[in-house]
Amino acid sequence: DAGITQSPRHKVTETGTPVTLRCHQTENHRYMYWYRQDPGHGLRLIHYSYGVKDTDKGEVSDGYSVSRSKTEDFLLTLESATSSQTSVYFCAISEQTGVEAFFGQGTRLTVV
Amino acid sequence: AQSVTQLDSQVPVFEEAPVELRCNYSSSVSVYLFWYVQYPNQGLQLLLKYLSGSTLVESINGFEAEFNKSQTSFHLRKPSVHISDTAEYFCAVSEGGNRDDKIIFGKGTRLHILP
Repeated sequence: DAGITQSPRHKVTETGTPVTLRCHQTENHRYMYWYRQDPGHGLRLIHYSYGVKDTDKGEVSDGYSVSRSKTEDFLLTLESATSSQTSVYFCAISEQTGVEAFFGQGTRLTVV
Repeated sequence: AQSVTQLDSQVPVFEEAPVELRCNYSSSVSVYLFWYVQYPNQGLQLLLKYLSGSTLVESINGFEAEFNKSQTSFHLRKPSVHISDTAEYFCAVSEGGNRDDKIIFGKGTRLHILP
């Protein structure tokens, strides 16, 4: 398995609180992605990064921000969590464009 | 921008029968195509990929997919399914070539194997 660690693996939080999910890789891959998975919607891209401090929005970026200050870490922050952000969040990495991505095990986030 | 359509959200099939999971993509440039599999309560694993060369690609567990540029399709097939193939399958596309390229996924197809 690719060296990708997501933390925490499970989290329950209250509406309105800030939440940060962490993705850590040991592969030195340039690209990192955050997706959310919801029934009937498949995987939707939230934000992605193509290098340190180089990030861009995906298709469902509202309510989320990201930071990448080191190659190995990509943080996803929900500034003020809402119930609609209850989901399973997956981090993925890829070495370059045009090749496959490898996925972490996911973080199950519940906002109550 | 690229997009992916998986035409079937669920596909029931009897064990040992053949199956086809459909995937169509939209892109204005050359593409790279992937199929991922997600077993229950697990993350996503790469099943097979088309990057270049032969349009027919195979996985180690009997699945194959064919890239058809004229029909913008990348359908996944298996001649005989097993109960262990029960999973959700995702088609994905990348356009490559640009620094800010990204990988976009379809909504997934859940494969139900009937005894």
